[in-house]
Amino acid sequence: GAGVSQTPSNKVTEKGKYVELRCDPISGHTALYWYRQSLGQGPEFLIYFQGTGAADDSGLPNDRFFAVRPEGSVSTLKIQRTERGDSAVYLCASSPSGLETQYFGPGTRLLVL
Amino acid sequence: AQSVSQHNHHVILSEAASLELGCNYSYGGTVNLFWYVQYPGQHLQLLLKYFSGDPLVKGIKGFEAEFIKSKFSFNLRKPSVQWSDTAEYFCAVTRTSGTYKYIFGTGTRLKVLA
Repeated sequence: GAGVSQTPSNKVTEKGKYVELRCDPISGHTALYWYRQSLGQGPEFLIYFQGTGAADDSGLPNDRFFAVRPEGSVSTLKIQRTERGDSAVYLCASSPSGLETQYFGPGTRLLVL
Repeated sequence: AQSVSQHNHHVILSEAASLELGCNYSYGGTVNLFWYVQYPGQHLQLLLKYFSGDPLVKGIKGFEAEFIKSKFSFNLRKPSVQWSDTAEYFCAVTRTSGTYKYIFGTGTRLKVLA
């Protein structure tokens, strides 16, 4: 079956702009995770969803970051007033429930100029 | 707060050499432990995991890891590496209850010379 997909694969934007990053999880997976990975670092937890609700959003760095999963499937990570420091690869992963193998997508590489 | 330390950032080995990558975590409660691997140009994928039971777990491609609770460690091993093991390896930890927030280490970049 299809794996986790993320769009766009690359996004270049200017400082101060708004961006949306999309994640399509594996069908039937109730848990969905967002991570941010900077060069030379491991994935940094941002938020995870169980179904439609955010079970833990403690990793969101500030109120410019927001994520939704309105129907319990596709999720969108939204970043307002982007800053150069937001440049990173944003990874999405899904799993059948919260405590099982995570299946990662290819990531969205965000560059803020 | 939970954290994961991977002490080796870059490792270079010749084919057939033995591999051990260190991973230590900080958390006083019960944890689940994972090793993920990212081959060049590919997604992160699970190599092996420990939930409970036998502390020596075996994963794909001949990898194994040993959970030593007293040392808060979960080191990854392989007796004889191959060129195709060239990749970046990440250790991760999560609690067994409450939030299933995963904490990843900074990764170890392994290069195997043919």
